[in-house]
Amino acid sequence: DIVMTQSPDSLAVSLGERATINCKSSQSVLDNSNNKNCLAWYQQKPGQPPKLLIYWASTRQSGVPDRFSGSGSGTDFTLTISSLQTEDVAVYFCQHYSSGPPTFGQGTKLEIK
Amino acid sequence: EVQLVESGGGLVQPGGSLRLSCAASGFTVSRYYMRWVRQAPGKGLEWVSVIYMDGRTFYADSVKGRFTISRDNSKNTVYLQMNSLRAEDTAVYYCARDEYGFLEYWGQGTLVTVSP
Repeated sequence: DIVMTQSPDSLAVSLGERATINCKSSQSVLDNSNNKNCLAWYQQKPGQPPKLLIYWASTRQSGVPDRFSGSGSGTDFTLTISSLQTEDVAVYFCQHYSSGPPTFGQGTKLEIK
Repeated sequence: EVQLVESGGGLVQPGGSLRLSCAASGFTVSRYYMRWVRQAPGKGLEWVSVIYMDGRTFYADSVKGRFTISRDNSKNTVYLQMNSLRAEDTAVYYCARDEYGFLEYWGQGTLVTVSP
């Protein structure tokens, strides 16, 4: 199975500042059939299910604010929040949907500094 | 509007059984891959099972042989039959609609607690 490793485990950022979360896969998640990276990002707030933010590594889900962006390719990916808002406090997970069973990163807890 | 509503969770003794239901509205479950994902208290997300459009089913190694996913097209509902439950199966169980592998819609989840 592909192992997804996120860094850092937790992160404190000041309001209005940039937050960056990294996700590394144990093998490439690039789908050669469509040249897309099979990587998604989710946001989870306490007591709620995960919410899809980004898929295909960089495509923002409808309704997600444009301060959220995804980048990367192959095995290294990044979720960036360009200007942190209070409502962005949450745990963020990456997930691959490449070969084998889908697996998630361990999560990154984002807080306000 | 797409909605997924899980039910059937609760407290069960080790070795016991539960059947979870995921009632869908706003779409037809047989036209999508449908997945169960669980989250142990304070922990991360773990994929449990999937049922494909053609009815094929797959399971995580941790539940293989104990859990069975199925669907009732007439009720537009997906099920997860869980047998031989263990303490480590304690988690919130979510059903989710799979869209090319990423999970666009999630239910609110149902809590399963396995304890004497």
